[in-house]
Amino acid sequence: EVQLVESGGNVVRPGGSLRLSCAASGFTFDDYGMNWVRQVPGKGLEWVSDINWNGDYIGYVDSVKGRFTISRDNAKNSLYLQMNSLRAEDTALYYCARSRVSASGPPYDNWGQGTQVTVSS
Amino acid sequence: DIQMTQSPSSLSPSVGDRVTMTCRASQSISGYLNWYQQKPGKAPKLLIYSASSLQSGVPSRFSGSGSGTDFTLTISSLQPEDFATYYCQQSFSTPYSFGQGTKLEIK
Repeated sequence: EVQLVESGGNVVRPGGSLRLSCAASGFTFDDYGMNWVRQVPGKGLEWVSDINWNGDYIGYVDSVKGRFTISRDNAKNSLYLQMNSLRAEDTALYYCARSRVSASGPPYDNWGQGTQVTVSS
Repeated sequence: DIQMTQSPSSLSPSVGDRVTMTCRASQSISGYLNWYQQKPGKAPKLLIYSASSLQSGVPSRFSGSGSGTDFTLTISSLQPEDFATYYCQQSFSTPYSFGQGTKLEIK
């Protein structure tokens, strides 16, 4: 069974940093692209970042470019999102999601349960 | 950036009804359109990819159609477990935008 388990969410002050992790199991991790998608509670979904199977391709939504860094460790079956210079508008539930194929990007055929990031003074 | 617009924003159908919802892209996205179902407190679930391909394990009452800018998700006979919010997402170009959702509410 495919499992994606996010961790690392927390309450942080504006300008602060967090590192999100996503532990993958139940599939061959380096066969798939991986993604981060966020959702403000009660609101819609927003693609944040993606990375292909070997990290050669990485993409970000404009609002996080230069502040967030996606990475993966295939030996540890893990995906990461380093979030710096956090803003109030980054407050959301962050999902780790698997691409259907080795390239990154949608569609996402498996999702984690999400980890909450709250940026507040 | 490509904007995705879903309509209606909410629906109140009855069990057994045929339900249709639409998603419109601000420019042509060919067939690069995906549909997800999200229930309260849960992660989204992939239903349809590439406009009309049914994801493995998804009931056949769900179907998708369309190309270019206009797309449709149809539920042929609504079941109680189908009450949820449905999102479309384009995978034509970054940023991979989602629609704002269509919520199916129990009448």
